[in-house]
Amino acid sequence: DTVLTQSPALAVSPGERVSISCRASEGVNSYMHWYQQKPGQQPKLLIYKASNLASGVPARFSGSGSGTDFTLTIDPVEADDTATYFCQQSWNDPPLTFGSGTKLEIK
Amino acid sequence: QVKLLQSGAALVKPGDSVKMSCKASGYTFTDYIIHWVKQSHGKSLEWIGYINPYSGGTNYNEKFKSKATLTVDKSSSTAYMEFSRLTSEDSAIYYCARELRRVYQGPFAYWGQGTLVTVSS
Repeated sequence: DTVLTQSPALAVSPGERVSISCRASEGVNSYMHWYQQKPGQQPKLLIYKASNLASGVPARFSGSGSGTDFTLTIDPVEADDTATYFCQQSWNDPPLTFGSGTKLEIK
Repeated sequence: QVKLLQSGAALVKPGDSVKMSCKASGYTFTDYIIHWVKQSHGKSLEWIGYINPYSGGTNYNEKFKSKATLTVDKSSSTAYMEFSRLTSEDSAIYYCARELRRVYQGPFAYWGQGTLVTVSS
């Protein structure tokens, strides 16, 4: 299975730029997707295929990377961005796999 | 608009089975693959498998192959997942999710609200 590694937590102040990383144990081409999950809610798709903004997602969110290293960037960060962010790959399957999530705190 | 409405929370006994539903609306049900995802309390997400509503074809995570059965009812635009021989490890929230596009690419664009399953005697 393809293991996706994310840092567990980050804390930033409103207005700053934050980058959340996801490293895959093997290449996933560009088939990396990013989700935001707030407490008590279902995940929400932010970025698909590494760099494509999902419908309705603010342009403050962007994605980059290919192969094994990917980044989700939020610039500028807002208080409402407090959430857990998950990466997911769909190149090497089955199974599709998710990262363990990065909990973002806005100070 | 696209909606996936899941069945309500279930309290089940160890060893029992549970069948949960995911009713789709706002699009042509047979055009998009439906995935199922498990989220244990406070933890990450695990992909269980997917079903193609048009053909009934399925693809399972090996870990859940003997545990989960995915089906659909095209007449009611509803997908089902049955989970068998439940243990405390199966206590979790289960989500259904729809593919972004008609072709299988993996991003889950629409999610149900989740079904909480609690396994307890």
